[in-house]
Amino acid sequence: AQSVTQLDSQVPVFEEAPVELRCNYSSSVSVYLFWYVQYPNQGLQLLLKYLSGSTLVKSINGFEAEFNKSQTSFHLRKPSVHISDTAEYFCAVSDPGRGGGADGLTFGKGTHLIIQP
Amino acid sequence: ETGVTQSPTHLIKTRGQQVTLRCSSQSGHNTVSWYQQALGQGPQFIFQYYREEENGRGNFPPRFSGLQFPNYSSELNVNALELDDSALYLCASSSGTGATGELFFGEGSRLTVL
Repeated sequence: AQSVTQLDSQVPVFEEAPVELRCNYSSSVSVYLFWYVQYPNQGLQLLLKYLSGSTLVKSINGFEAEFNKSQTSFHLRKPSVHISDTAEYFCAVSDPGRGGGADGLTFGKGTHLIIQP
Repeated sequence: ETGVTQSPTHLIKTRGQQVTLRCSSQSGHNTVSWYQQALGQGPQFIFQYYREEENGRGNFPPRFSGLQFPNYSSELNVNALELDDSALYLCASSSGTGATGELFFGEGSRLTVL
């Protein structure tokens, strides 16, 4: 069975500072990896995903994540955060070999990113 | 383009009652998944519906059941409610059942069981 660990439940950061949100997964098979973001009073939105190919993936709003197979990690980074990045961030995995999304996504518990002015 | 909408947004039930939650999928999407998000936890997969059939299921008991209609909207039914069923229930739609697919989530239905 797959599992996802987000090591920090809350990360406070000053505006314009860099940030890293950590995500580790446990799986004996190959995985697809995702970061979803949940802004206050909104549904979850896909931020970025790794399926194959380049291990570094980027979002349109400056976030990036790197798939590290040996470390079983998929940490999310941004070089300079803004107040508008305040949100809950969820790391998730799925199993590409299970005939589609029949097992759904396995999510971590989430990391609350708090941007301080 | 209409996004995923869920109803009701909030509801309160008592232990032992039954509840039905509704979801309208995003235009063009034929697959609906349901997730339960307890306070302080990440979403947990309940089940997925594709072409009106249950296509996959997480570790939830049979008192959690669902339906998908020809217009791809969906219902989640929970019987014999327990206190631990208190949570935010999220519906997500997608085009196809693939594990690579992007899920589009609604804002959720918050259920409180007293």
